[in-house]
Amino acid sequence: GAVVSQHPSRVICKSGTSVKIECRSLDFQATTMFWYRQFPKQSLMLMATSNEGSKATYEQGVEKDKFLINHASLTLSTLTVTSAHPEDSSFYICSPTRTDGYTFGSGTRLTVV
Amino acid sequence: AQRVTQPEKLLSVFKGAPVELKCNYSYSGSPELFWYVQYSRQRLQLLLRHISRESIKGFTADLNKGETSFHLKKPFAQEEDSAMYYCALVSRFNKFYFGSGTKLNVKP
Repeated sequence: GAVVSQHPSRVICKSGTSVKIECRSLDFQATTMFWYRQFPKQSLMLMATSNEGSKATYEQGVEKDKFLINHASLTLSTLTVTSAHPEDSSFYICSPTRTDGYTFGSGTRLTVV
Repeated sequence: AQRVTQPEKLLSVFKGAPVELKCNYSYSGSPELFWYVQYSRQRLQLLLRHISRESIKGFTADLNKGETSFHLKKPFAQEEDSAMYYCALVSRFNKFYFGSGTKLNVKP
């Protein structure tokens, strides 16, 4: 079955620093990657959609300069939270697309202190 | 606009009791609906997809277009069913829109 590796699972960083989250599709190629986030006691919300080799499309209210998405290959996409602030503390989940279904990474719990 | 509503944040039932997790949606088109489950400290897992009409772990869900609902049901809840359940709708662009989730607590 489809294997998705998301790393790190948990990260604590200081306010003002940047954090990179990686999402790899281990046994399939993902032309499209979705990034979601989930604030405490809220639902998962789509942040952005990235296609391999092109710029990401961001949902309304998501700052593209703050959440940098790189999708340079069909098996790897990264989300970098730049100049993180405590309000960026959240659970981030990647979702690489497949032709026969949908998959999700295990998520990254980001805590900004 | 697409929206998924799960009115119950928490649902507690006793083992062996029937359970129904409610989900309502709004979508201007033919929706594709899912139920995902997240056990403690694990990733999201697909539980049901409405087009497959399967029964997984005893759970079923029927799409009711008239009531725009996709409620999840199980006749006899088990303790291992305790988890977070998310109803989700996927758009024609493969984007997911999730409900806020319902925590199911099955008591012994």
